[in-house]
Amino acid sequence: DIQMTQSPSTLSASVGDRVTITCRASQSISTWLAWYQQKPGKAPKLLIYKASSLESGVPSRFSGSGSGTEFTLTISSLQPDDFATYYCQQYNSFPFTFGQGTKLEIK
Amino acid sequence: QVELQESGPGLVKPSETLSLTCTVSGGAISSYYWNWIRQPPGKGLEWIGNIYYTGSTNYNPSLKSRVTISVDTSKHQFSLKLSSVTAADTAVYYCTRTLGMEDYFDYWGQGALVTVSS
Repeated sequence: DIQMTQSPSTLSASVGDRVTITCRASQSISTWLAWYQQKPGKAPKLLIYKASSLESGVPSRFSGSGSGTEFTLTISSLQPDDFATYYCQQYNSFPFTFGQGTKLEIK
Repeated sequence: QVELQESGPGLVKPSETLSLTCTVSGGAISSYYWNWIRQPPGKGLEWIGNIYYTGSTNYNPSLKSRVTISVDTSKHQFSLKLSSVTAADTAVYYCTRTLGMEDYFDYWGQGALVTVSS
């Protein structure tokens, strides 16, 4: 299985901050990576696919980059609605695997 | 707008079989892959497996011996069966959609909590 490792596990930030979450794959996955946002009691929501493509309806303050084994999710200016847990997911090969999650907290 | 809705018992006894159904509305069930993902309370996400509308399946090797996913296109539904459950199978189970066999999850159900307990 391809292991996905996110860092940090927890991130404290303020409204207006620029934040970056990193996701590393245990082997190359090209750009077959997605990012999801999950709020308590809700299903994950797709933000980014193919490493850098923004899902329709997702605010442009979210962006993704990377290829191979290292990827980043950046939120350019944090809004109150962005405080949530974020997961990366590889779909290069079966079984699909997720990172352990990064909880974005209000500082 | 595509909507997915999980249904099934919220409580299952140890050693029994967990059964869930996902009903797809607002879109076609053909030409897509339909997945099950689970999330134990307070933990991360685990992909269980998927099925194409033709019935072709792919399973996570960690669960393959206990999992069966099936589809009923006439009812716009697909289902999950997980046998010989233990407390470790307690989780929120999500049904999701992907366009391709190996792809990202663009639509999710709201999730169904299944607790394994006697």
